[in-house]
Amino acid sequence: DQQVKQNSPSLSVQEGRISILNCDYTNSMFDYFLWYKKYPAEGPTFLISISSIKDKNEDGRFTVFLNKSAKHLSLHIVPSQPGDSAVYFCAADDTGTYKYIFGTGTRLKVLA
Amino acid sequence: DAGVTQSPTHLIKTRGQQVTLRCSPKSGHDTVSWYQQALGQGPQFIFQYYEEEERQRGNFPDRFSGHQFPNYSSELNVNALLLGDSALYLCASSLNNSPLHFGNGTRLTVT
Repeated sequence: DQQVKQNSPSLSVQEGRISILNCDYTNSMFDYFLWYKKYPAEGPTFLISISSIKDKNEDGRFTVFLNKSAKHLSLHIVPSQPGDSAVYFCAADDTGTYKYIFGTGTRLKVLA
Repeated sequence: DAGVTQSPTHLIKTRGQQVTLRCSPKSGHDTVSWYQQALGQGPQFIFQYYEEEERQRGNFPDRFSGHQFPNYSSELNVNALLLGDSALYLCASSLNNSPLHFGNGTRLTVT
């Protein structure tokens, strides 16, 4: 039973345009969400997070939006750069259990 | 400032064997978590160690066990290896409620 879902396995975007990566979750008790980026042969790297008391968090080119009623979050990358090409994982912090629940990832390819 | 380091980077084992993976947390971190990432999947939580105790465990059999040492480093042991244990094993460290910092993982292949 997948509690965190990333329904798009891959996404291709032209350099300079916006990349939008989506994530859905099923457990309304989740109150903290994170995005990680993973390059081949490396571990996931923390990118940005958002608490459920907010609906938006911004860090440079990266913005995460949270829609609690829809149980949906998205990561926007503007402008996209070729170095952003990686697999992006959405994760929910399962509060009180000390674990993150990850989605299956979306492979982003930014075309030069 | 060294990040999370894991050893070995790659490992090939035969079914039924036992394996030990090692992890040194990022400097200043006191909590270590282990995740298994199968091909095409996201990381799945195995367990977390804090103050040398297993604080939380995911849905993994008892063949998976671990340890945390006084210097906060950790080991993951897997007994009676199955083909399905082939995966990337990721160690992550944290301090308080900070986001997890991951190592580059150990790629385990069971033949």
